Amino acid sequence: EVQLVESGGGLVQPGGSLRLSCAASRFTFSTYSMNWVRQAPGKGLEWVSYISASSSTIYYADSVKGRFTISRDNAKNSLFLQMISLRAEDTAVYYCARDRSPRYWYFDLWGRGTLVTVSS
Amino acid sequence: SYVLTQPPSVSVAPGKTARITCGGNNIGSKSVHWYQQMPGQAPVLVIYYDTDRPSGTPERFSGSKSGNTATLTISRVEAGDEADYYCQVWDSSSDHFVFGTGTKVTVL
Repeated sequence: EVQLVESGGGLVQPGGSLRLSCAASRFTFSTYSMNWVRQAPGKGLEWVSYISASSSTIYYADSVKGRFTISRDNAKNSLFLQMISLRAEDTAVYYCARDRSPRYWYFDLWGRGTLVTVSS
Repeated sequence: SYVLTQPPSVSVAPGKTARITCGGNNIGSKSVHWYQQMPGQAPVLVIYYDTDRPSGTPERFSGSKSGNTATLTISRVEAGDEADYYCQVWDSSSDHFVFGTGTKVTVL
């Protein structure tokens, strides 16, 4: 089955760091752009970051720019999100999502998410 | 930054039609995509490129766009359609994906 599986979430103190991972399976990961999308408890969806298939193009939401770093390892079919200087407002379920860019700009495959809680 | 506005909630009786709107400046020039999110689950794409349905999306789901508003229509609503729905566009001026504020559909 084609799938994405996130890991690495947990409880972290304000100002702390965390690294999320997303493992892709059953599709040619190296040919797809990937994203992180988050959802705070009881809130809507918020796009966080985008990385192109070759890692040549990266975008960030203004709310995380300078604190989060997206990366990927195509040899290991994995996507990552390094998060530093975490704040309470970063508390959310973080989803890994595949998109169809540069031709199609929508998300056609999502993981189940991993919960990040920033609290003292 | 680009903003997509949806009504917070829509209530509909079983068998009737639910319409969920998504408003944004000059949305007519953008392609709109729609996602369904059941409680506790990840979002699922139900409409892409304004009107197209992925395989697996029932024909009861349709999309349209007119002026500055895109609309997701669910015909012959079933209890299993109760979920949150989000519209989404790609904003090329900022190189950002943008989601709508979300609409909770309640089946009476």
